Amino acid sequence: ETGVTQTPRHLVMGMTNKKSLKCEQHLGHNAMYWYKQSAKKPLELMFVYSLEERVENNSVPSRFSPECPNSSHLFLHLHTLQPEDSALYLCASSQDYRGNTEAFFGQGTRLTVV
Amino acid sequence: GENVEQHPSTLSVQEGDSAVIKCTYSDSASNYFPWYKQELGKRPQLIIDIRSNVGEKKDQRIAVTLNKTAKHFSLHITETQPEDSAVYFCAATDSGSARQLTFGSGTQLTVLP
Repeated sequence: ETGVTQTPRHLVMGMTNKKSLKCEQHLGHNAMYWYKQSAKKPLELMFVYSLEERVENNSVPSRFSPECPNSSHLFLHLHTLQPEDSALYLCASSQDYRGNTEAFFGQGTRLTVV
Repeated sequence: GENVEQHPSTLSVQEGDSAVIKCTYSDSASNYFPWYKQELGKRPQLIIDIRSNVGEKKDQRIAVTLNKTAKHFSLHITETQPEDSAVYFCAATDSGSARQLTFGSGTQLTVLP
């Protein structure tokens, strides 16, 4: 296994709900990422954290709020989502935040907004 | 910024045949090109990568070629097997910067028995 664990694996939520996605890595990496994967689209980078500091935020709507309490854990807090936010949300980690090191992905959370 | 285009979006081959997936990139500064494989219901995993100081790299049945002048790179899978069926993503970045990977849109490869 890659050592990146995401919970929950599946989540169905209403547009007025608040929920959180959790990611944990046991690889000793310094960088963690949130990606959105929609059908037939490229992987979309949402947030990058390096040593618990956010280093990139790709114009993601404020209804997505990341949190990185330490270098091993990453959360994505969800609030008042829209149906078009339904997608697979992938967490990844790498040795550092520069794109030239291998990214290890979690298995993702399949999110459905109803 | 970088733009990566990937073709084809779907590809079906007979078992034992070869498969080729092509990607083009726009930023001439890009110098690191990984390929990820995502099996159905599983996480993307790195299968091979190439840096711009080489033109080709092989790992058993998988090879990647890079043409810096034309700004395109390709994944070649020989002697395909059913377990090669998956979605394959190419990506590109400038490894000397803090810029993150830009991914292609993916190719669904189906190997027919």
